[in-house]
Amino acid sequence: KAGVTQTPRYLIKTRGQQVTLSCSPISGHRSVSWYQQTPGQGLQFLFEYFSETQRNKGNFPGRFSGRQFSNSRSEMNVSTLELGDSALYLCASSLFASLTGSGANVLTFGAGSRLTVL
Amino acid sequence: AQRVTQPEKLLSVFKGAPVELKCNYSYSGSPELFWYVQYSRQRLQLLLRHISRESIKGFTADLNKGETSFHLKKPFAQEEDSAMYYCALSLGENKLIFGTGTLLAVQP
Repeated sequence: KAGVTQTPRYLIKTRGQQVTLSCSPISGHRSVSWYQQTPGQGLQFLFEYFSETQRNKGNFPGRFSGRQFSNSRSEMNVSTLELGDSALYLCASSLFASLTGSGANVLTFGAGSRLTVL
Repeated sequence: AQRVTQPEKLLSVFKGAPVELKCNYSYSGSPELFWYVQYSRQRLQLLLRHISRESIKGFTADLNKGETSFHLKKPFAQEEDSAMYYCALSLGENKLIFGTGTLLAVQP
């Protein structure tokens, strides 16, 4: 069973540009979450999609957006890149709608997309 | 405010010594907590969750609601346990907030 696949794995952009990152969840998983990982701030929640609907959004500016397609694949977009957006962007998928109350549902993470903004 | 605190950035122990990675949380609801681990050059992966009450790779964690803690313990550390460990709190649905992580270094 293929895991969570993120593309591209590495990319370099300059300030002011925009970037689109892609995430293919495990087959059958309907939830996709995105996290930003930096040395200074650690892992911070960006947003979560379930069946094409954004259910939760973290405390990030509107430059960060995302969407989920009918096949559960998700993309996130960052516009007008800033130096501080340099980070590892992690995607995670899960089978069910909630992590709480069930021992069966877990977040499975991808390898990440490492974005460097120059 | 919801928060997860891991007070130690680095924990260095010798092989065979006991390990305790600290995690404290702040949450007004009924907490569901997790430990995730990231080995060198590998993906972030679930180690254990409190609701399962299981031991994984010799690690256990007990939820202490009185002390709002979910410390990760192992009686005898192995070199292969060296990794970054993150404590995480579920805020409902599939949203997790993570602590800043503790790097465990097990010396031979």
